[in-house]
Amino acid sequence: AQSVTQLDSQVPVFEEAPVELRCNYSSSVSVYLFWYVQYPNQGLQLLLKYLSGSTLVKGINGFEAEFNKSQTSFHLRKPSVHISDTAEYFCAVSDPTGGFKTIFGAGTRLFVKA
Amino acid sequence: NAGVTQTPKFQVLKTGQSMTLQCAQDMNHEYMSWYRQDPGMGLRLIHYSVGAGITDQGEVPNGYNVSRSTTEDFPLRLLSAAPSQTSVYFCASSSADSLNYGYTFGSGTRLTVV
Repeated sequence: AQSVTQLDSQVPVFEEAPVELRCNYSSSVSVYLFWYVQYPNQGLQLLLKYLSGSTLVKGINGFEAEFNKSQTSFHLRKPSVHISDTAEYFCAVSDPTGGFKTIFGAGTRLFVKA
Repeated sequence: NAGVTQTPKFQVLKTGQSMTLQCAQDMNHEYMSWYRQDPGMGLRLIHYSVGAGITDQGEVPNGYNVSRSTTEDFPLRLLSAAPSQTSVYFCASSSADSLNYGYTFGSGTRLTVV
């Protein structure tokens, strides 16, 4: 069975500082990995995804993530955050052989301070 | 394009009542899923579908039924509402084309059971 652990429930950071949101997963099969963002009172939108190939993937709004198979991690990074990046971020894992059954982590709330 | 449309946006039910949350997508996506979002628990998968006529259970299926008679629609039925089902419900859809994997989410239904 798949599972996702987001290691930080909240991450406060100052504007223009770098940030890393951590995600570890477990699965007995190859997986697809995703990061989604949820702004207050909205649905989720896709930030980036890893399906195969290069382990460093780039997404929208300057975010990137690195797939590390040996450490079963998929950490999200941004070199310089803005106030507008304040939101909740969700890591998700999908089994490509299981009908795209997708399991989400508990979320990390990023709070960017001026 | 409307994307994923959920109705209603808000609903209050009494314990024991039944209701159907509606979800429709206009992107011809094969995959559709229902999630519930509760504070500190992220999104938990209720049911998912890989195509018309095919559904399967997710992490928390008890108390919910689904059907998928068309590609476009994936309604979620609460059989006998309980206070524990108070939550925000999200419907999501994805293409089965691996190049276009990734969920598009609806804006959610906020359900309160009293």
